[in-house]
Amino acid sequence: DAGVIQSPRHEVTEMGQEVTLRCKPISGHNSLFWYRQTMMRGLELLIYFNNNVPIDDSGMPEDRFSAKMPNASFSTLKIQPSEPRDSAVYFCASSLGGQNEQYFGPGTRLTVT
Amino acid sequence: QKEVEQNSGPLSVPEGAIASLNCTYSDRGSQSFFWYRQYSGKSPELIMFIYSNGDKEDGRFTAQLNKASQYVSLLIRDSQPSDSATYLCAVEGGSNYKLTFGKGTLLTVNP
Repeated sequence: DAGVIQSPRHEVTEMGQEVTLRCKPISGHNSLFWYRQTMMRGLELLIYFNNNVPIDDSGMPEDRFSAKMPNASFSTLKIQPSEPRDSAVYFCASSLGGQNEQYFGPGTRLTVT
Repeated sequence: QKEVEQNSGPLSVPEGAIASLNCTYSDRGSQSFFWYRQYSGKSPELIMFIYSNGDKEDGRFTAQLNKASQYVSLLIRDSQPSDSATYLCAVEGGSNYKLTFGKGTLLTVNP
């Protein structure tokens, strides 16, 4: 079975540019989570969806960040405009409803210069 | 604010020894507890989960949970150099499936 798929794996962009990160959850999983990981702050939950509906976006740092899940097999996390402090590894994870075990994708390493 | 605390390490053990990783959490309502392993430059990988007080064993790994003390641990027996990684403790409170992660403990197993 394919795991969680994320793209791109690496993204380097200039400050002010729009960045879009993509995620395909494990087939059949109906919960999807976006995390950000930095050395200073560790792994932080940004937003999570259940059955394609955003349930909790309290971790989204500010209005520059937005996330969508148009269907059960695809989600995007967008940063517009990007800033150097957004540089981090962004992970997507999914889980099967009713179970709490989350499975992570390979991550997108974002560098904003 | 729910908190999960881990000793950042590094924890260094010789090959073949038992490595003991510890985690405390602040939310008494937490129900589910997870250990993830993260190799450098890789994503977190789920290795153990525990829901009930006591011990849960899976191969060389044993998770221990004490809800009264708000403490969860991971023991790795017969440690191998391939076990060298950062171990993340994660705690879920209530039924909303949100996990709060500790910052992780770096484990180094020396040949």
